[in-house]
Amino acid sequence: DTAVSQTPKYLVTQMGNDKSIKCEQNLGHDTMYWYKQDSKKFLKIMFSYNNKELIINETVPNRFSPKSPDKAHLNLHINSLELGDSAVYFCASSSWTGDDTQYFGPGTRLTVL
Amino acid sequence: AQSVTQLGSHVSVSEGALVLLRCNYSSSVPPYLFWYVQYPNQGLQLLLKYTSAATLVKGINGFEAEFKKSETSFHLTKPSAHMSDAAEYFCAVSFSGSARQLTFGSGTQLTVLP
Repeated sequence: DTAVSQTPKYLVTQMGNDKSIKCEQNLGHDTMYWYKQDSKKFLKIMFSYNNKELIINETVPNRFSPKSPDKAHLNLHINSLELGDSAVYFCASSSWTGDDTQYFGPGTRLTVL
Repeated sequence: AQSVTQLGSHVSVSEGALVLLRCNYSSSVPPYLFWYVQYPNQGLQLLLKYTSAATLVKGINGFEAEFKKSETSFHLTKPSAHMSDAAEYFCAVSFSGSARQLTFGSGTQLTVLP
């Protein structure tokens, strides 16, 4: 009965590879997010989707491409991985008509070698 | 621009002592305010939130926070720290018209000493 789930939990890969992270929520929310948490624990919003439409697109390299096949899923594809992409990536969801409370997934720790 | 500041990147308290984690925000409109906790190698868990109802908000695990508009603050407190409270704590704020975007503070690492 996990509310927001992410796969995989750990991802170790070589520079230059392409990888994807998947996120699913079963809370009935219509808005989903991707955050990046760096080694200093700082959390930065990357993308936000509402009803499969891109709402927030922060200054993120275009190697990162989010895709939302439906309201319950938001995936993140990363091309040509670089060392600086190593971080923990969190997915979150919320209700657009709610009080802005976001519910977070367990995170995906990406390590680029 | 709206922002949130957490004073003290590291706070240490003894078990049983008062926990006080500070959060200040800047905004020209009434905000929604949140405290999240992150245990090692886990995601963020909502502790409590202020959404323009009561200014004193009670959350999980004995934590509470008070919204003080005059001080633009939303400090987190717990009367008696427990070893299990050791974690990273994040204050976050959202503003009307912000496309439901949360802006996070830089986090405070709480250490509880035996």
